[in-house]
Amino acid sequence: RKEVEQDPGPFNVPEGATVAFNCTYSNSASQSFFWYRQDCRKEPKLLMSVYSSGNEDGRFTAQLNRASQYISLLIRDSKLSDSATYLCVAGGGADGLTFGKGTHLIIQP
Amino acid sequence: NAGVTQTPKFRVLKTGQSMTLLCAQDMNHEYMYWYRQDPGMGLRLIHYSVGEGTTAKGEVPDGYNVSRLKKQNFLLGLESAAPSQTSVYFCASSITGMNTEAFFGQGTRLTVV
Repeated sequence: RKEVEQDPGPFNVPEGATVAFNCTYSNSASQSFFWYRQDCRKEPKLLMSVYSSGNEDGRFTAQLNRASQYISLLIRDSKLSDSATYLCVAGGGADGLTFGKGTHLIIQP
Repeated sequence: NAGVTQTPKFRVLKTGQSMTLLCAQDMNHEYMYWYRQDPGMGLRLIHYSVGEGTTAKGEVPDGYNVSRLKKQNFLLGLESAAPSQTSVYFCASSITGMNTEAFFGQGTRLTVV
């Protein structure tokens, strides 16, 4: 059974701090990886894709370690608006994407 | 920009009643999915479809049926609702199942009493 494991948190972080999440995936055949953001009572939305070479989008950096089968997300200079649940996602099988249960982030003023 | 649209957004059912949730996407995506999300459980795949006329079981298919008669629509049916099916249901679609992101509808909050 394919799984994606995340620390559920919550992570309580002061505004302006740097926070990092990791997740691990069990299916070594996974080929695509994403981080989604989900706000309370809303649908998940794509935050960023994760590439083997790593990628950065503003304050957000995602890394993939295929050998250890984990994915990371780093948020720098955190804002109050970053408070949300972050879902780690692995895909590539015939049944599409496997979601982690999410990590709850709370940015405190 | 419609994207993925789910109807209804809210519904209360009595145990034993039936209903159909409709998901429509206007992005010409091949793959469509139905998930349920419960507190502490994350998103769990109910059924999915890899193209018009196809359906397949996901992680938690029992008590649900689906149909994909048209490429743009994916229907989720509950034949005899049970309180354990109280959940938030999300539909999603993606270009393919592999290296592409999934776009979600706004969700349907279903309560079975």
